Amino acid sequence: GQQLNQSPQSMFIQEGEDVSMNCTSSSIFNTWLWYKQDPGEGPVLLIALYKAGELTSNGRLTAQFGITRKDSFLNISASIPSDVGIYFCAGRGSNYKLTFGKGTLLTVNP
Amino acid sequence: NAGVMQNPRHLVRRRGQEARLRCSPMKGHSHVYWYRQLPEEGLKFMVYLQKENIIDESGMPKERFSAEFPKEGPSILRIQQVVRGDSAAYFCASSPLERETQYFGPGTRLLVL
Repeated sequence: GQQLNQSPQSMFIQEGEDVSMNCTSSSIFNTWLWYKQDPGEGPVLLIALYKAGELTSNGRLTAQFGITRKDSFLNISASIPSDVGIYFCAGRGSNYKLTFGKGTLLTVNP
Repeated sequence: NAGVMQNPRHLVRRRGQEARLRCSPMKGHSHVYWYRQLPEEGLKFMVYLQKENIIDESGMPKERFSAEFPKEGPSILRIQQVVRGDSAAYFCASSPLERETQYFGPGTRLLVL
């Protein structure tokens, strides 16, 4: 089956710093999605990417769909305490099934 | 702004009991997906349903697990004779069409004692 490698596994940063995390896949995806999950809650969609090379922003978040269609990254600029949580990448191939990475746990020290 | 609703949010069962997890999709969404999340893992696809039809159950264990999405009412994920390894968070997602964005509910956290 498809495998997603997400890194880093965890990050500890100071408030105001920028953050970058990425996902790589063993196979091609047609869509890349980035979700955030708070403790005890479900994943909330942050950014969706539909075309290779696409660069999309949502406030302080920026994500890109890699040219090879096998990778994606998410950047968070000027982090704030409420950015704390687990960030998941997810890829979708030619059908409906989402394949998730294992997540990046982000801790922001005020 | 009614999103995907799941209940119960937490469920405790003893080994051998049955667990029933419910999911009401977002208004206007007729496609429902169930995922399972083990501790410190990503979500894993289990089953995809449309009203009264199971489209893909390739991610669901063959034994003890079943899912339905009746014409009326919520989608149900049913786990019979639960074992400790079934302890996990179970998430439901819905979408308006098959390949459109999936929106997730808050999950049901199942603990099997």
